[in-house]
Amino acid sequence: QKEVEQDPGPLSVPEGAIVSLNCTYSNSAFQYFMWYRQYSRKGPELLMYTYSSGNKEDGRFTAQVDKSSKYISLFIRDSQPSDSATYLCAMSANDYKLSFGAGTTVTVRA
Amino acid sequence: NAGVMQNPRHLVRRRGQEARLRCSPMKGHSHVYWYRQLPEEGLKFMVYLQKENIIDESGMPKERFSAEFPKEGPSILRIQQVVRGDSAAYFCASSPRSGGSSNYGYTFGSGTRLTVV
Repeated sequence: QKEVEQDPGPLSVPEGAIVSLNCTYSNSAFQYFMWYRQYSRKGPELLMYTYSSGNKEDGRFTAQVDKSSKYISLFIRDSQPSDSATYLCAMSANDYKLSFGAGTTVTVRA
Repeated sequence: NAGVMQNPRHLVRRRGQEARLRCSPMKGHSHVYWYRQLPEEGLKFMVYLQKENIIDESGMPKERFSAEFPKEGPSILRIQQVVRGDSAAYFCASSPRSGGSSNYGYTFGSGTRLTVV
């Protein structure tokens, strides 16, 4: 069993739709949760960071963490073609060693 | 600010050769991390270095792989006697302090894509 499970998709949605992404994990020691966005042939860039359980909103992006279920989510509202990318969940028990999901490829159709 | 610079962007090596991947962290960043991304898999932690020190190499294969971050110059990830299974994208990240798990996160480079033929 992988430490972090993420549906690879691909996910294709029309412009303006809500994109819903999620990951599950098995390590109960994880307490730092992140979402990264990766464009083709580029390095990942940090989108959202959450410590422990709860919700966090930043513009069109909302991250949710449910530690009791070992489940995290990312929602993208009013999706744009520029949101087309691979989204990676990442989590950590300490402050530097991240465990990543395999990534979900999202395409937003104009 | 030039960001995290990795070179080369693409590297082709024959089986048995050595591969050297270089990473220059962002200005002011003294913590460097290497991750490997295999096809259809997530990034896997390899090693965490500070200047002249290896802090955590728990993700490094026991043989053929080594990493350094000298006092002067870039961090180097070295793979000796490469095999086809080493083909992957290798990403370097840096941070100003210990912590990929923070509001700052890491800053990743664009990666080196190693192909072993």
